Amino acid sequence: GDSVTQMEGPVTLSEEAFLTINCTYTATGYPSLFWYVQYPGEGLQLLLKATKADDKGSNKGFEATYRKETTSFHLEKGSVQVSDSAVYFCALPRKESSYKLIFGSGTRLLVRP
Amino acid sequence: NAGVMQNPRHLVRRRGQEARLRCSPMKGHSHVYWYRQLPEEGLKFMVYLQKENIIDESGMPKERFSAEFPKEGPSILRIQQVVRGDSAAYFCASSPFTGPDGNQPQHFGDGTRLSIL
Repeated sequence: GDSVTQMEGPVTLSEEAFLTINCTYTATGYPSLFWYVQYPGEGLQLLLKATKADDKGSNKGFEATYRKETTSFHLEKGSVQVSDSAVYFCALPRKESSYKLIFGSGTRLLVRP
Repeated sequence: NAGVMQNPRHLVRRRGQEARLRCSPMKGHSHVYWYRQLPEEGLKFMVYLQKENIIDESGMPKERFSAEFPKEGPSILRIQQVVRGDSAAYFCASSPFTGPDGNQPQHFGDGTRLSIL
């Protein structure tokens, strides 16, 4: 069945470091792919998305490229800030019921000053 | 321009009591989804509703859990006779429509943290 696998956290970085959070997926066809971010005590916010292969989603300095060859959608940022500390979720819609989002288990990012 | 509103933010119940969680979707949104998040896990789909209709409740436990989205008022997730294992964060999301490939992102509320004593 469809699934999403994320690298385990926590990921601890110093401010201005380069960030990569890995996400790979298993799915039928080519679904849209999403990254959501959850700040402490809050709900999920859509960070970026890509709707087809080779698309690059970007927002707030974050980027992710839809790679169908490697079935990956890794999240990257060139220079993280303390305010980026949060939990990041990779997600995709289930093919037969596209309203059902399948989430990875989340990767906690902690950025130190 | 209010987003998805959930209340209460925190809810404490004793075993055996009932919990009612409310969700008001974004203005103009007629589709509501409930998800549950256990500690250190991702969100798991529970139920999808449109006004006055349950479209898909395949993620809901068969007993004690129910959901509704009446013509007027918020969507309600109801948990009867709560047990310790119901402790979790419950998130509501809404969308204006579902695209054919799930292209339409869902907008999430801040969640209700349910604690069972």
